[in-house]
Amino acid sequence: QKEVEQNSGPLSVPEGAIASLNCTYSDRGSQSFFWYRQYSGKSPELIMSIYSNGDKEDGRFTAQLNKASQYVSLLIRDSQPSDSATYLCAVDSSYKLIFGSGTRLLVRP
Amino acid sequence: SQTIHQWPATLVQPVGSPLSLECTVEGTSNPNLYWYRQAAGRGLQLLFYSVGIGQISSEVPQNLSASRPQDRQFILSSKKLLLSDSGFYLCAWGKGEAFFGQGTRLTVV
Repeated sequence: QKEVEQNSGPLSVPEGAIASLNCTYSDRGSQSFFWYRQYSGKSPELIMSIYSNGDKEDGRFTAQLNKASQYVSLLIRDSQPSDSATYLCAVDSSYKLIFGSGTRLLVRP
Repeated sequence: SQTIHQWPATLVQPVGSPLSLECTVEGTSNPNLYWYRQAAGRGLQLLFYSVGIGQISSEVPQNLSASRPQDRQFILSSKKLLLSDSGFYLCAWGKGEAFFGQGTRLTVV
């Protein structure tokens, strides 16, 4: 069974700090990697996608991919209380999108 | 632009009753379609995915079934609901990534 692993948290950071979220995956054939944000009671929202090794930046978000280590991370700079949510890592595996269980992020004012 | 419609938003059904959840996508053709379930406080479990009309792949053996009668329509069904079928059901479309509908919160009583 192909798996995606995340620390469930909660990860607590003060407002303005950098939040670092991590994810590992087992399918070496995966080519596409995604980060979703899910507020309580809502459906997941795509915030970042990354397909090649290295960093990809979009505003306050940076996704990092290391295929050799099978590791994906998401950095959130200048964290805001509105960033408090569960962050889900997702990895493609033969037409399927497999999700991790998510990391809950709490940003303290 | 693409939109996905999923209904109803909430549903309370007795044990043993049938279920039909419908999802439609607008603004795209031949999308991959997905049904996920999320138990309270848990990650997303892939139930079914479809890469074309009539093509359904099941990920988890259970009393649920899915059908794709039209290109942009995906239906999740059950003949007899169990208590363990309670959860947050999410339909998604994508060509790589996945974009989610609003979800259906199902409570089996």
